[in-house]
Amino acid sequence: SAVISQKPSRDICQRGTSLTIQCQVDSQVTMMFWYRQQPGQSLTLIATANQGSEATYESGFVIDKFPISRPNLTFSTLTVSNMSPEDSSIYLCSGGLQETQYFGPGTRLLVL
Amino acid sequence: GENVEQHPSTLSVQEGDSAVIKCTYSDSASNYFPWYKQELGKGPQLIIDIRSNVGEKKDQRIAVTLNKTAKHFSLHITETQPEDSAVYFCAASMVGGNQFYFGTGTSLTVIP
Repeated sequence: SAVISQKPSRDICQRGTSLTIQCQVDSQVTMMFWYRQQPGQSLTLIATANQGSEATYESGFVIDKFPISRPNLTFSTLTVSNMSPEDSSIYLCSGGLQETQYFGPGTRLLVL
Repeated sequence: GENVEQHPSTLSVQEGDSAVIKCTYSDSASNYFPWYKQELGKGPQLIIDIRSNVGEKKDQRIAVTLNKTAKHFSLHITETQPEDSAVYFCAASMVGGNQFYFGTGTSLTVIP
């Protein structure tokens, strides 16, 4: 299995600002992913973080709004840019090992 | 693409009773089906998974069954305990693939 940590665990931000979320995995996973989870809802994939190259974004998510980095096999960041109240959500990082995914504890973001 | 449906959305059981959550999928190419438990304020935790070459898998009080012909799989929890109260998500994917398709979640409450 893989143990995944995220920082920060929660934050309250002002609209128009940006927040960068960090994700650290304790082992070399093959894939890393970023999800968004609205309260009481399921998980929506934002993008696949690719090591050393641009992330692969899902429909409805763009690099300008959610820039992602993955400088090595165990670390990735997601930035939520120019935030609005609609960006208030839980952001989850996951690491893919063999056929499954292991999730971090999430970052709870509130935008005022 | 794949579509995963999950029922029921909420489930209440008395402590000691069994709980069953069902999911259906649409893409016959899917061959890996994990189940996640998400407690309040935490990230999803993998609790059990099954591959399409297996019809049933058990781990103590938890079991998962798969019917490939009907394209549905179910989570069975026996002798439920209050600590089983959480939101449960099913997912479908292809071994070696990136994308996990999640169900909409089931909020399970075990009444002491």
